[in-house]
Amino acid sequence: KQEVTQIPAALSVPEGENLVLNCSFTDSAIYNLQWFRQDPGKGLTSLLLIQSSQREQTSGRLNASLDKSSGRSTLYIAASQPGDSATYLCAVPPDGGSQGNLIFGKGTKLSVKP
Amino acid sequence: DVKVTQSSRYLVKRTGEKVFLECVQDMDHENMFWYRQDPGLGLRLIYFSYDVKMKEKGDIPEGYSVSREKKERFSLILESASTNQTSMYLCASSFSGRAGNQPQHFGDGTRLSIL
Repeated sequence: KQEVTQIPAALSVPEGENLVLNCSFTDSAIYNLQWFRQDPGKGLTSLLLIQSSQREQTSGRLNASLDKSSGRSTLYIAASQPGDSATYLCAVPPDGGSQGNLIFGKGTKLSVKP
Repeated sequence: DVKVTQSSRYLVKRTGEKVFLECVQDMDHENMFWYRQDPGLGLRLIYFSYDVKMKEKGDIPEGYSVSREKKERFSLILESASTNQTSMYLCASSFSGRAGNQPQHFGDGTRLSIL
């Protein structure tokens, strides 16, 4: 059964630093991987979706990479800002799933200090 | 922009009550999902639906049911609320696409307390 792990659970960095968030999954036969952001007490906002045939996706200061063979994805945030403070979650479809449901990691809580 | 609207941000109910959580999306998405989110356990899928009147059990369906009479609306029902159903409930939707390669869009969540 697919499992998704995010380490560390929490990360604190000074403003301006570049940083990397990690996501690993146990079954490499995935269709895609999604990164989400969640602000306290709010729902999730989709940041990036990487399809299985892709190795990376970029949106502004965010870059997500995917290495299926090793079961890993990273989310790179350039020049971090206090507004980037949030919990970041990654998610994949379960067991070759094609119906759109997802299995989530427990997230990395990021704090960017001014 | 995709809009997923959950009817209540905060809800307080009593043990044994029948509770309805409503979710509406405005992008003609085929798929809709209900998750609950708890500290230390993350997001867990309760039920999902890939078409009107269709439903599939997720990982933790016990104590819940769902209704999808119209494409844009997906309701989560707590048949007889219990204190262990106190949680943050999140609704999401997506296009079906091929092999599920479509991003999910979430509502703001309903924080439900059962007393």
